[in-house]
Amino acid sequence: AQRVTQPEKLLSVFKGAPVELKCNYSYSGSPELFWYVQYSRQRLQLLLRHISRESIKGFTADLNKGETSFHLKKPFAQEEDSAMYYCALIRWDDKIIFGKGTRLHILP
Amino acid sequence: NAGVTQTPKFQVLKTGQSMTLQCAQDMNHNSMYWYRQDPGMGLRLIYYSASEGTTDKGEVPNGYNVSRLNKREFSLRLESAAPSQTSVYFCASSPRPPSYGYTFGSGTRLTVV
Repeated sequence: AQRVTQPEKLLSVFKGAPVELKCNYSYSGSPELFWYVQYSRQRLQLLLRHISRESIKGFTADLNKGETSFHLKKPFAQEEDSAMYYCALIRWDDKIIFGKGTRLHILP
Repeated sequence: NAGVTQTPKFQVLKTGQSMTLQCAQDMNHNSMYWYRQDPGMGLRLIYYSASEGTTDKGEVPNGYNVSRLNKREFSLRLESAAPSQTSVYFCASSPRPPSYGYTFGSGTRLTVV
C-alpha cells in the first residue's frame, strides 16, 4: 500500500538551531516526492520537489531510497519558518498522497 | 495570474442545509481535486476529476457530490450538511502528469452547526 508517514505532529526548535522534519514513504516503484508548506490560514504551497534537487528558503531534502525517506532539513531555523509542513508523493495514477503533516514551531 | 480561486472563503450552515463550493482555475490544467483538511488527519481527497466530463471518488466521498462544469470549474456540493463536515476545504488543480505537484486554492472554512 502506498503511504506517507510523518512521525512528528509537532516539532519545536529554537531560532538558529537545525531543523529536520521526517518523512518516510511506502511505494513500490520510483516515487516522485514533494514537500508542501502551509503558513497560518493560507493555502498550501509547493516547497520542494525531489527531482529538481533545489534549495528553497534554505531548506533541502534528499531522497534516500534505501531508507525510503525524504527528510526536510534546514541548518538554521528562522521564526518565519513556523508553519505546517506536508510530505507527499505522486502515485502511479497521478494522484498525490499526503502525509498527516508536521507543525513546526520556531521558539525565539 | 489568479491560479486557483475558491468561493466562498467562509460559510456557516445549519445541519441539513445544502450548499455548493465553487472552484475555478485559469492555468489550463486537466486535473482538479477537492480535499478536506482536519486537525491530525492531514489532507484527505474527497473527489477528483482527471479531465472535463469525468469525476471519481477519493478517500472520503460520502455526503458530497461534484460537477466538472468545464475545464476551468469544479464544484463541490453538500446536499444535507452534517456537523462532521465542519472542515477546511481546498480545491487544487494540476497538469497531467503533475510533475510540479498541485496548485491549491486558498480554502473554504465551513462550519456546520
